[in-house]
Amino acid sequence: SQTIHQWPATLVQPVGSPLSLECTVEGTSNPNLYWYRQAAGRGLQLLFYSVGIGQISSEVPQNLSASRPQDRQFILSSKKLLLSDSGFYLCAWSVFETQYFGPGTRLLVL
Amino acid sequence: GQQVMQIPQYQHVQEGEDFTTYCNSSTTLSNIQWYKQRPGGHPVFLIQLVKSGEVKKQKRLTFQFGEAKKNSSLHITATQTTDVGTYFCAEGSSNTGKLIFGQGTTLQVKP
Repeated sequence: SQTIHQWPATLVQPVGSPLSLECTVEGTSNPNLYWYRQAAGRGLQLLFYSVGIGQISSEVPQNLSASRPQDRQFILSSKKLLLSDSGFYLCAWSVFETQYFGPGTRLLVL
Repeated sequence: GQQVMQIPQYQHVQEGEDFTTYCNSSTTLSNIQWYKQRPGGHPVFLIQLVKSGEVKKQKRLTFQFGEAKKNSSLHITATQTTDVGTYFCAEGSSNTGKLIFGQGTTLQVKP
């Protein structure tokens, strides 16, 4: 069966520090991969999606970037975090139209 | 761009009461998916509707897709405290797998 992992689970970072969040999927090949951000009590904002290795589409201009170095690995990065980058970051995968979400990373930027 | 509007934003009910959340679009939806996010958790897929007028049931949950494929609803009969969470509708793209999410309805159930 397919599983999706995200780490770390929680992270507290100072403003201006770099960020690297990792997402890996097991049990499926060539999935579509997604990064979402969810502010407290709010909806899901799609940040990036990828249909294959090295293929990244950005949905909103921002302080973040994404990379897909391997088929089942998706990384979210920032060179310098802003206060507004705080939130709940969710990775998801899909093969057809249904998406399956990872457990998420809670990021607090102070 | 395409938007999916979801109402209400919040709903407080007494345990045993029914609950409904509605999803509307100004354009025809290719499909509609429903997800549930428990407090502190991640969204979990519940169901997908594709056909005009489709109705699907999962125990106390009833999902409907409008005849014109521009709206959908999720109805919970006799809510329980385990129903607490935020319910999202979303339209899926068959090309990219991208989902356009509604804003979600957060359900609170008083025991």
